[in-house]
Amino acid sequence: QVQLVQSGAEVKKPGASVKVSCKASGYTFTSYDINWVRQATGQGLEWMGWMNPNSGNTGYAQKFQGRVTMTRNTSISTAYMELSSLRSEDTAVYYCATIAAAGTGLVGYWGQGTLVTVSS
Amino acid sequence: EIVLTQSPATLSLSPGERATLSCRASQSVSSYLAWYQQKPGQAPRLLIYDASNRATGIPARFSGSGSGTDFTLTISSLEPEDFAVYYCQQRSNWPPTFGPGTKVDIK
Repeated sequence: QVQLVQSGAEVKKPGASVKVSCKASGYTFTSYDINWVRQATGQGLEWMGWMNPNSGNTGYAQKFQGRVTMTRNTSISTAYMELSSLRSEDTAVYYCATIAAAGTGLVGYWGQGTLVTVSS
Repeated sequence: EIVLTQSPATLSLSPGERATLSCRASQSVSSYLAWYQQKPGQAPRLLIYDASNRATGIPARFSGSGSGTDFTLTISSLEPEDFAVYYCQQRSNWPPTFGPGTKVDIK
């Protein structure tokens, strides 16, 4: 079955960078875009950007431009999201997600989330 | 950036009742609107895409309608597992944006 498994929780200091991984299984990794969404504690969902795992093309929300980089390693079916110049406001759960074809419809798959805590 | 407004912020209902959730866009998003359900401690789950299409495996009690700027998610008869937060998301204009959510809790 389709799974997205993310790397474990991280604690970072302000100004540092964090790189979260998202390993896909159960489908052809290059077939569907990967989106990254974050959620601060008790808050709503915030879309960060997307990546086409086949071409490597990316698109980022303006808020994160210059600080976020989304990459992939197709040989191990893994997507990465790196966020730099971390500040306390970046403390959140980070999710990878994809929407895949299933029969005549679509189904959404999400990773389990990675908690990133930014604290001095 | 398109702003999505959801109402009400909280909906208090009993199991078996009908839930009607609203999502309004600041400009037309055509039918490029999705609905997600999120329970505490869990990742969101795609319920509806393109305004009215149920995602695979989603029970028939969930239905979506609307186009342009006004959308509705209806849960025909609430089951205990349906008490959660619901988000709408548009993908018509860059960047994709989410609404602030509607919490459906037990009355």
